[in-house]
Amino acid sequence: GAVVSQHPSRVICKSGTSVKIECRSLDFQATTMFWYRQFPKQSLMLMATSNEGSKATYEQGVEKDKFLINHASLTLSTLTVTSAHPEDSSFYICSASLLPSTDTQYFGPGTRLTVL
Amino acid sequence: DAKTTQPPSMDCAEGRAANLPCNHSTISGNEYVYWYRQIHSQGPQYIIHGLKNNETNEMASLIITEDRKSSTLILPHATLRDTAVYYCIVSNAGNNRKLIWGLGTSLAVNP
Repeated sequence: GAVVSQHPSRVICKSGTSVKIECRSLDFQATTMFWYRQFPKQSLMLMATSNEGSKATYEQGVEKDKFLINHASLTLSTLTVTSAHPEDSSFYICSASLLPSTDTQYFGPGTRLTVL
Repeated sequence: DAKTTQPPSMDCAEGRAANLPCNHSTISGNEYVYWYRQIHSQGPQYIIHGLKNNETNEMASLIITEDRKSSTLILPHATLRDTAVYYCIVSNAGNNRKLIWGLGTSLAVNP
């Protein structure tokens, strides 16, 4: 149980284009989903916390207009990287909490974004 | 959130127990200790968590000291597939359930 999927697993795009990444909880309803970014040889950095039906809460230094998050249902959250640039190339990972009162997060397999 | 300190790397022979230490001397009473691992180029995998008591599941055991200032994750019979970066995180349920990630311990299981 507690499986989280991400799509696509890998994407290459041209500079200036927008890319959408989907995160789905397959066998449970996730009231909260999280989006992380990980650069090579670095740890995960939390970008934003997404609650179903409400606006995402972004971490300091993360541009909300550049990284658009939508959490329209209890099983789906999307991250759109708008006007992507090479410095946005990274490993993007989502996670979901099983219950409102638990810290345990279950992670997707990640999406490797390369911006040319 | 309390910070954690882990050794940057460890080695373990296949079939032997891997004991991964973590210091969290500033942990507060309502903070849990979580362990995750990340195999190269994959999303992190939840392993185990605990508050005060020792915990065991099908993957590992978690030993928390009585003063809760440190803990040890034990993989009883390490296999090559356990080679990964292991993260120890303390988390306060009241802080929007954020997990603050350090650099973890890179565990290499050798044949």
